[in-house]
Amino acid sequence: AQTVTQSQPEMSVQEAETVTLSCTYDTSESDYYLFWYKQPPSRQMILVIRQEAYKQQNATENRFSVNFQKAAKSFSLKISDSQLGDAAMYFCALDGGATNKLIFGTGTLLAVQP
Amino acid sequence: DGGITQSPKYLFRKEGQNVTLSCEQNLNHDAMYWYRQDPGQGLRLIYYSQIVNDFQKGDIAEGYSVSREKKESFPLTVTSAQKNPTAFYLCASSIGRGLGEQYFGPGTRLTVT
Repeated sequence: AQTVTQSQPEMSVQEAETVTLSCTYDTSESDYYLFWYKQPPSRQMILVIRQEAYKQQNATENRFSVNFQKAAKSFSLKISDSQLGDAAMYFCALDGGATNKLIFGTGTLLAVQP
Repeated sequence: DGGITQSPKYLFRKEGQNVTLSCEQNLNHDAMYWYRQDPGQGLRLIYYSQIVNDFQKGDIAEGYSVSREKKESFPLTVTSAQKNPTAFYLCASSIGRGLGEQYFGPGTRLTVT
């Protein structure tokens, strides 16, 4: 079975500082994709960043980057220069099957302190 | 603008009534999905469809039904058999396997009393 685990229910960061959200996963697939989604209070799910498992290079999107450790099955999200608008629930998700089904973690609620 | 629409945003029903949640996309995506979100939990897959006139059960399909008569539309019916229907429901779509991430609609909050 495929699983995604987010062990940090809540995190807090000061504005302009850096924070790292953790995610571990398990899959028997060799070809898969990993995503971080952001869910602000509006509850709209917004894609933050994606990583293809076959790529060794870590994905980056502006202030967002990942640390993808395939052997350890770890996929952490680093947010640099945190902004008040980054406050949200963050979900790690795995797409590891032929049907493009996403398996979600339970989320990490990120608070940004001014 | 391309995107996914879900209506209504808030829906209230009496226990024992069936209710249908709407999901429409104009992204020309083949695949569509329904998720349920409960407090303190991640999203759980209810049903998904990879092509018109075909759909499969997800992890928590009991008490739900879907149809996929058009590529753009994937309505979800919450039946009276669903024991705990009050939840936040999200619809998503994607190009398909390995070709892209899923895009989500704004969601529908269903309250059954």
